[in-house]
Amino acid sequence: EPEVTQTPSHQVTQMGQEVILRCVPISNHLYFYWYRQILGQKVEFLVSFYNNEISEKSEIFDDQFSVERPDGSNFTLKIRSTKLEDSAMYFCASSADSAVSAAFFGQGTRLTVV
Amino acid sequence: QQQVKQSPQSLIVQKGGISIINCAYENTAFDYFPWYQQFPGKGPALLIAIRPDVSEKKEGRFTISFNKSAKQFSLHIMDSQPGDSATYFCAASIIRNTPLVFGKGTRLSVIA
Repeated sequence: EPEVTQTPSHQVTQMGQEVILRCVPISNHLYFYWYRQILGQKVEFLVSFYNNEISEKSEIFDDQFSVERPDGSNFTLKIRSTKLEDSAMYFCASSADSAVSAAFFGQGTRLTVV
Repeated sequence: QQQVKQSPQSLIVQKGGISIINCAYENTAFDYFPWYQQFPGKGPALLIAIRPDVSEKKEGRFTISFNKSAKQFSLHIMDSQPGDSATYFCAASIIRNTPLVFGKGTRLSVIA
């Protein structure tokens, strides 16, 4: 069964450092998303990406965040200067068709900012 | 108005019993209501979803009931099993304008 793959599974970084979280969405999917989940809390939307551009972003997705699809398969989330409060599980998701909205989630990257 | 309110926060059910998790929403533009199941250390996995043009959808032991006038929907897990122990999230979105808005989650424990 096709799946969304995320790397690394766990990243520890010092406050102020840049991190890049990587995702390989399901191959025939066209819509890509990043969500985050602070420990014990609900899943929160960060950004959606379609046709090589951001289609929607939340208030959380400020200037410190950026996304890129550098090639035909990878989808990355960059945090320029990490803060302690960026510590969370970051989930990549993809869907084939926004009309279906059946987003398939990766297993997540646990980001710990120290 | 973008919130989805989920209850209860945690639920303990005996094996073989029925687990019921409820969600309520305010935004009448929402037209897609999925439920996600999440095991510890894993990403949310789509379990079942419903559109507002039907009042109920059943897949195996899982049933979504949808009440459009009350703006509520619920997940029923029949014959609950210990393997169902997980966190369940309801969510909502506007089909042509995702993203998903999640509830806060319900931690279900099914005990033998």
